[in-house]
Amino acid sequence: EPEVTQTPSHQVTQMGQEVILRCVPISNHLYFYWYRQILGQKVEFLVSFYNNEISEKSEIFDDQFSVERPDGSNFTLKIRSTKLEDSAMYFCASRQYGSGNTIYFGEGSWLTVV
Amino acid sequence: AQSVSQHNHHVILSEAASLELGCNYSYGGTVNLFWYVQYPGQHLQLLLKYFSGDPLVKGIKGFEAEFIKSKFSFNLRKPSVQWSDTAEYFCAVKPGSQGNLIFGKGTKLSVKP
Repeated sequence: EPEVTQTPSHQVTQMGQEVILRCVPISNHLYFYWYRQILGQKVEFLVSFYNNEISEKSEIFDDQFSVERPDGSNFTLKIRSTKLEDSAMYFCASRQYGSGNTIYFGEGSWLTVV
Repeated sequence: AQSVSQHNHHVILSEAASLELGCNYSYGGTVNLFWYVQYPGQHLQLLLKYFSGDPLVKGIKGFEAEFIKSKFSFNLRKPSVQWSDTAEYFCAVKPGSQGNLIFGKGTKLSVKP
């Protein structure tokens, strides 16, 4: 079964450093998402991306965050200057065209900011 | 604001016990409803989903959920749990006007052998 893959699985970074989390969505999917889950809290929506632009974003997704689809297969989340409170599991997800289609999640990237 | 409430933070059951996990949402329009499961060390996996039609939805591994529109609920059930069902279970709602999912806080299920 096709999967959403994410790298790295775990990254430790110092506060203030830039981090890029990478995702390879399922190949025929057209909608891409980033979610995050702070330890002990719920999974929160960050951003959705369609047709090479952001289609929706949450209040969490401020100017420190950006997304990019640099080469037609990867979908990246960049955090420009990490803060301690950015420590979380970041999930990439994708789905096919059509509002009823299931969203498939990757295994997540654990980000620890120290 | 739209929200999803899962009533139980941690449920502990013995094998063969019946399971019901509550989920309520606050959104008055059309919704798509989902239950995801996250086994220890693994990613979120879809358990079942409701888009329309029969409000009783059957998913994988013997799970089912019932959509009760009047109660804004989508409770997850399984008649007889197994040790391998130990995981965290997330209810999620996709309001009709939006593309993203809104998740509940999750319910951790521990099944004792």
